[in-house]
Amino acid sequence: DTGVSQNPRHKITKRGQNVTFRCDPISEHNRLYWYRQTLGQGPEFLTYFQNEAQLEKSRLLSDRFSAERPKGSFSTLEIQRTEQGDSAMYLCASSPTHSSSYTFGSGTRLTVV
Amino acid sequence: QQQVKQSPQSLIVQKGGISIINCAYENTAFDYFPWYQQFPGKGPALLIAIRPDVSEKKEGRFTISFNKSAKQFSLHIMDSQPGDSATYFCAASGVNNNDMRFGAGTRLTVKP
Repeated sequence: DTGVSQNPRHKITKRGQNVTFRCDPISEHNRLYWYRQTLGQGPEFLTYFQNEAQLEKSRLLSDRFSAERPKGSFSTLEIQRTEQGDSAMYLCASSPTHSSSYTFGSGTRLTVV
Repeated sequence: QQQVKQSPQSLIVQKGGISIINCAYENTAFDYFPWYQQFPGKGPALLIAIRPDVSEKKEGRFTISFNKSAKQFSLHIMDSQPGDSATYFCAASGVNNNDMRFGAGTRLTVKP
């Protein structure tokens, strides 16, 4: 296992289109987190999973956003009807259940044109 | 959303100098305070972390100083090197470890 893997690395989409990102966490990590990072800012929490259960969602996660982790392994983040304001780096992180140490992936950079 | 305030936004240091980045938090329920380092095109990577039961933690050239009463903590990078040039984020989380909040970041440039 080489760490947290995110695909694609870059995505350019037209406004109004739907996009889906994938995150493969470190295999023994039960927790998986999604963050959004805009230019010049720190990562902002979106949501997290404990195994397959989505336990918390930020107010930033509008109804156009949905995240899943169906088998408690990989996760997907879907954005429907993308807007220009959705342009950002989407980061995934994972950790063991009782650990504060997050391991981040390299992110998916989304550009909405 | 931003419960951790970080300063300065950018910092330029000569090679061999000391880099100091400061953070302040509001939520007294936070009990874990990490620093992350991020290079362009990469995700943040954990650098060093501290819990509030100690006032200082040192790992190599990196030291965290923690002041619980002031709700402040800082990162000191001794003998700064050009390879340290990156963006540094302070963060804080509570006992459940599921609510990590990040500062806005400091872009550090170490000049040769």
